[in-house]
Amino acid sequence: KQEVTQIPAALSVPEGENLVLNCSFTDSAIYNLQWFRQDPGKGLTSLLLIQSSQREQTSGRLNASLDKSSGRSTLYIAASQPGDSATYLCAVSGNQFYFGTGTSLTVIP
Amino acid sequence: ETGVTQTPRHLVMGMTNKKSLKCEQHLGHNAMYWYKQSAKKPLELMFVYNFKEQTENNSVPSRFSPECPNSSHLFLHLHTLQPEDSALYLCASSQARDSSTDTQYFGPGTRLTVL
Repeated sequence: KQEVTQIPAALSVPEGENLVLNCSFTDSAIYNLQWFRQDPGKGLTSLLLIQSSQREQTSGRLNASLDKSSGRSTLYIAASQPGDSATYLCAVSGNQFYFGTGTSLTVIP
Repeated sequence: ETGVTQTPRHLVMGMTNKKSLKCEQHLGHNAMYWYKQSAKKPLELMFVYNFKEQTENNSVPSRFSPECPNSSHLFLHLHTLQPEDSALYLCASSQARDSSTDTQYFGPGTRLTVL
């Protein structure tokens, strides 16, 4: 069974800092990998989707990379802002969708 | 908010009650999903419907009963729940299953508390 792990579980950084969130998965047979954002008590919002044949995707200050062979993905957030504070989840799509437990990010003004 | 709506947003029920959660998507998608999100645990996929047909039931107890009358609507009927069923229940939709470009769109969730 696919297992998705996210490290760290929680992260607190000062505003303006660049940061990296990590995601690892055990089975490389995936269709794609997605990064989501979840605000407290809310649903998930898709940030980036990387297809299995791709290496990275960028959207604004966000950049996600995928290394299928090693089972790893990173989400890079540049120049962090207080509005980036949320829980970030990664999910891999194989025969079904598997989610990590998320990284709770706090950006301190 | 996305094009996926869920009602109610909050629900408190006793163990003997029967209630239903409703999900509606306005995105023209063909696949719909129910997830359970408990504290400190990964999202758990419960059910998947593809073109109104149930394609996955992830060993969910029978006290949870899904219904998908059409591609836009998904229900989760609840009966004789246990306190450990208290969680955030999320509905999602996507264009189709098994696509490398398939992005899921989530509703805001229903916060369920079972007393």
